Amino acid sequence: DTAVSQTPKYLVTQMGNDKSIKCEQNLGHDTMYWYKQDSKKFLKIMFSYNNKELIINETVPNRFSPKSPDKAHLNLHINSLELGDSAVYFCASSQTPITGIGSGYTFGSGTRLTVV
Amino acid sequence: GQSLEQPSEVTAVEGAIVQINCTYQTSGFYGLSWYQQHDGGAPTFLSYNALDGLEETGRFSSFLSRSDSYGYLLLQELQMKDSASYFCAVKRSNDYKLSFGAGTTVTVRA
Repeated sequence: DTAVSQTPKYLVTQMGNDKSIKCEQNLGHDTMYWYKQDSKKFLKIMFSYNNKELIINETVPNRFSPKSPDKAHLNLHINSLELGDSAVYFCASSQTPITGIGSGYTFGSGTRLTVV
Repeated sequence: GQSLEQPSEVTAVEGAIVQINCTYQTSGFYGLSWYQQHDGGAPTFLSYNALDGLEETGRFSSFLSRSDSYGYLLLQELQMKDSASYFCAVKRSNDYKLSFGAGTTVTVRA
């Protein structure tokens, strides 16, 4: 059983398109996150939800919109894709925002987004 | 603001010991975590330090000195499978974010 699963694993799309990435966790965690990893491997937090409530909303273009229908799911929708959006997007989860620091985040396998 | 510094690359031979240093500048420091990421893989949690001292987990140990704003990850008895990127990450007490350093690529040679 995959603890944190993301779909799709690879996404190649043209500039200007709209796309979504889905994430689901079966760990019973309350908190989920979206991170972006660029070509230099720098991991940057984008959003976090705790039990469906947005708790982290970093400075990202408003073309990016997260949605959490329930605490086991966190999706990322991207409008009007740009070349600079090409990156690997990781979903992660933790028991809570605080306990996750000590016990660690569980990351999904990532979605490699390529905008052409 | 905050900053995290760690070396970009380290190369060592099998069986050796590698120390990856991480210095941080942040207000309201809460704790320091370490993650491992193999090429094409997901980051995986290795260890966490909130208090000064050494935490040992098998061949890997992590150390923290809050007064020096410094920590390190010690990899002992290096194996080929330890070739990966290692990230330190800090949490501040006044927000929920876990902020990652730029990562250290460890290459283990035979």
